[in-house]
Amino acid sequence: EAGVTQSPTHLIKTRGQQATLRCSPISGHTSVYWYQQALGLGLQFLLWYDEGEERNRGNFPPRFSGRQFPNYSSELNVNALELEDSALYLCASSFVLADTQYFGPGTRLTVL
Amino acid sequence: QQQVKQSPQSLIVQKGGISIINCAYENTAFDYFPWYQQFPGKGPALLIAIRPDVSEKKEGRFTISFNKSAKQFSLHIMDSQPGDSATYFCAASHYNFNKFYFGSGTKLNVKP
Repeated sequence: EAGVTQSPTHLIKTRGQQATLRCSPISGHTSVYWYQQALGLGLQFLLWYDEGEERNRGNFPPRFSGRQFPNYSSELNVNALELEDSALYLCASSFVLADTQYFGPGTRLTVL
Repeated sequence: QQQVKQSPQSLIVQKGGISIINCAYENTAFDYFPWYQQFPGKGPALLIAIRPDVSEKKEGRFTISFNKSAKQFSLHIMDSQPGDSATYFCAASHYNFNKFYFGSGTKLNVKP
């Protein structure tokens, strides 16, 4: 069975630009979670989507947004990029309200 | 405010030794405590998890010890192997699993 996939693997942008990251969950999973993994800071919860709706949001500014499509894949958009947005962005999927999240390999975003 | 504090930041252990990683949490409403293992270039993967109704859970060489009164839990890796070299994250969640709080990670290096 295919795991969680993310694209692109690497993304390089300049300050002020917009970045779009994509995630495909494991088949059958309806929940998608986004995390930011900055160096030395562990995983910071960004967003949780389920059945196409945003269900919960972490302590991040509104320029971090996303959506979930009818096939449960998800997109994370980061507007007005800042240097400190450089990080590994991880997507995870699960059955709704399940205790186990399955992570993808991440997208490495570099903001120059 | 960091909800889950993890230590040490890095750990070097000889092959066959015991690796111990500690986490402390603030919110007494947390009732699910997983540990994730992350290899370079990969997303985190669930290793072992515990709920507060037990004080210890063992799976193979991996054991979680849980101290509810102290709001602390720890991961013990017995007979550590070079293949265990990875970054380990503790996490905590409320019963409905809609948001996970992760520790900052411990980079374990097991010397052959």
